[in-house]
Amino acid sequence: GIQVEQSPPDLILQEGANSTLRCNFSDSVNNLQWFHQNPWGQLINLFYIPSGTKQNGRLSATTVATERYSLLYISSSQTTDSGVYFCAVGEMDSSYKLIFGSGTRLLVRP
Amino acid sequence: DAGVIQSPRHEVTEMGQEVTLRCKPISGHNSLFWYRQTMMRGLELLIYFNNNVPIDDSGMPEDRFSAKMPNASFSTLKIQPSEPRDSAVYFCASSLYGTRSNQPQHFGDGTRLSIL
Repeated sequence: GIQVEQSPPDLILQEGANSTLRCNFSDSVNNLQWFHQNPWGQLINLFYIPSGTKQNGRLSATTVATERYSLLYISSSQTTDSGVYFCAVGEMDSSYKLIFGSGTRLLVRP
Repeated sequence: DAGVIQSPRHEVTEMGQEVTLRCKPISGHNSLFWYRQTMMRGLELLIYFNNNVPIDDSGMPEDRFSAKMPNASFSTLKIQPSEPRDSAVYFCASSLYGTRSNQPQHFGDGTRLSIL
């Protein structure tokens, strides 16, 4: 099955810093989502982005499907950005089935 | 708009007891998913329903687990009998899914299950 690798596994930032999280996947996909799991355990949708670029406030994401990777950019980080960021992909034949990466654990210090 | 609603938020019970988790998907969504999150295995799909019909239950760990969707607005995940290794966070998600297009999956707040 498809493999999803996220990097870095852990990241510590000072408030106000920028960061880039990466998601590599081993096969073609037609479904890709980024999630933020907050300290209360809630999974928050950030982006649905199987290809292209999207922006939402301080966050933006880019997926280059032909090269099998996606990037999540966080600018001017805030302490509320802390948590775990997951990338999840759906394979071409079963795109309903999200395969999750192991996540990037982000801590933003005040 | 109301999101995916799960209940209970927390459940603590003793080994051998029956556990029932509940989910109300977003109105109008035709697809419902149950996921499980553990430290060892991360987030995994257990079962997928489309138009109330189970389509893929290959992720259901064993016969002790069962899921139903009697109508478009309600689903249950049942564990009987429960075991300590079933302790995890169980998420329900819903989406508008079709063969020609995909839509994002929206997750509920999860049920944190502890089996003693």
